[in-house]
Amino acid sequence: AQTVTQSQPEMSVQEAETVTLSCTYDTSESNYYLFWYKQPPSRQMILVIRQEAYKQQNATENRFSVNFQKAAKSFSLKISDSQLGDTAMYFCAFMKHEGPRGKLSFGAGTTVTVRA
Amino acid sequence: DTAVSQTPKYLVTQMGNDKSIKCEQNLGHDTMYWYKQDSKKFLKIMFSYNNKELIINETVPNRFSPKSPDKAHLNLHINSLELGDSAVYFCASSPPARGVNEQFFGPGTRLTVL
Repeated sequence: AQTVTQSQPEMSVQEAETVTLSCTYDTSESNYYLFWYKQPPSRQMILVIRQEAYKQQNATENRFSVNFQKAAKSFSLKISDSQLGDTAMYFCAFMKHEGPRGKLSFGAGTTVTVRA
Repeated sequence: DTAVSQTPKYLVTQMGNDKSIKCEQNLGHDTMYWYKQDSKKFLKIMFSYNNKELIINETVPNRFSPKSPDKAHLNLHINSLELGDSAVYFCASSPPARGVNEQFFGPGTRLTVL
């Protein structure tokens, strides 16, 4: 079974500053998919960013970017220019397969609080 | 224009009761999932269905029975509810695999067993 580890239970950042969330995973697969999901207090799960393991280029979505280090099995999320609306719990997730067998394995989450 | 919807959003019930949670998606997706988020916010897959066929069945007590009447619906029936079943249950759906297989989540159903 795949293990996803998020070692930071909580992080706090000043508005407009940058915060980086760490995620490591354990797998023997060579191809897989990685995701960051955001869960605000509304509890809705929202996809922030995704990365295919076969792509060397790091994914970027507006203020969100990842640092994917395949050899180190590391997948960190950087939030730039933090906004109050970024306050949420962030989950790193791993998926081995495409299609119907593609189940997400989640880390324990990191609570991010953006201070005004 | 809700994509993945769940009913009810909140469910409070007594131990020993039987309850159902319904999920519907209007995205035309083939695959649907149930995830459980416990009190520590840990999320874990329970089931997945593809075109009404059970694909993933993680080690879940057989008191939990998913039912998919058609590919747009995946319901979760729970018999003989226990205190430990209290959690938030999320339904999700995903399209046929073309590259990265994003899963779209419903709003969750908070189940409280007293």
